[in-house]
Amino acid sequence: DGGITQSPKYLFRKEGQNVTLSCEQNLNHDAMYWYRQDPGQGLRLIYYSQIVNDFQKGDIAEGYSVSREKKESFPLTVTSAQKNPTAFYLCASEIIGTRYTGELFFGEGSRLTVL
Amino acid sequence: DQQVKQNSPSLSVQEGRISILNCDYTNSMFDYFLWYKKYPAEGPTFLISISSIKDKNEDGRFTVFLNKSAKHLSLHIVPSQPGDSAVYFCAAGDSNYQLIWGAGTKLIIKP
Repeated sequence: DGGITQSPKYLFRKEGQNVTLSCEQNLNHDAMYWYRQDPGQGLRLIYYSQIVNDFQKGDIAEGYSVSREKKESFPLTVTSAQKNPTAFYLCASEIIGTRYTGELFFGEGSRLTVL
Repeated sequence: DQQVKQNSPSLSVQEGRISILNCDYTNSMFDYFLWYKKYPAEGPTFLISISSIKDKNEDGRFTVFLNKSAKHLSLHIVPSQPGDSAVYFCAAGDSNYQLIWGAGTKLIIKP
């Protein structure tokens, strides 16, 4: 079945460590996104990529890094510079065509807890 | 400054009745609006959308209404079913192809 796979589902990290969250899609979608969700808040955009080997910062990119070496993959690294990394992270993908719909397909999310 | 606001953190509705979820926005440049549904520990799923050139869009039990002059949209679910219990997010987008999200409303359908 086509979809988006995020791993791991749960992750614990010690302060000062970098951690990488995986996101893979087999939908052949052009664009991929990383969002962060905190309790009582809407989704906030961290990074997005509309084409391989290119990505753009979102609203809260500080302390995060991404790569887009393959169309299917968009990993997110949460670095030690991220001051408050404990959150629920969501990866999404989207077709970019002549008619933009805003319809994103999401993975099941990764919950990161910093100890 | 929140550009998209969902002022009700939660809403409780009797099964079979109408559920009305509200969303307000401040940016008049938004040209499309979407509703997503989210179950716990899962990613959101797209529910329904509306373009700014329309005032209503219907899909089965779900109808979205847009009032541009009031910068307000609402999602109506009729009749409400137990499986509708979830968090509903309103999102708005403009020509930059980026979505701005509301904080969500938790809908609880009571049997």
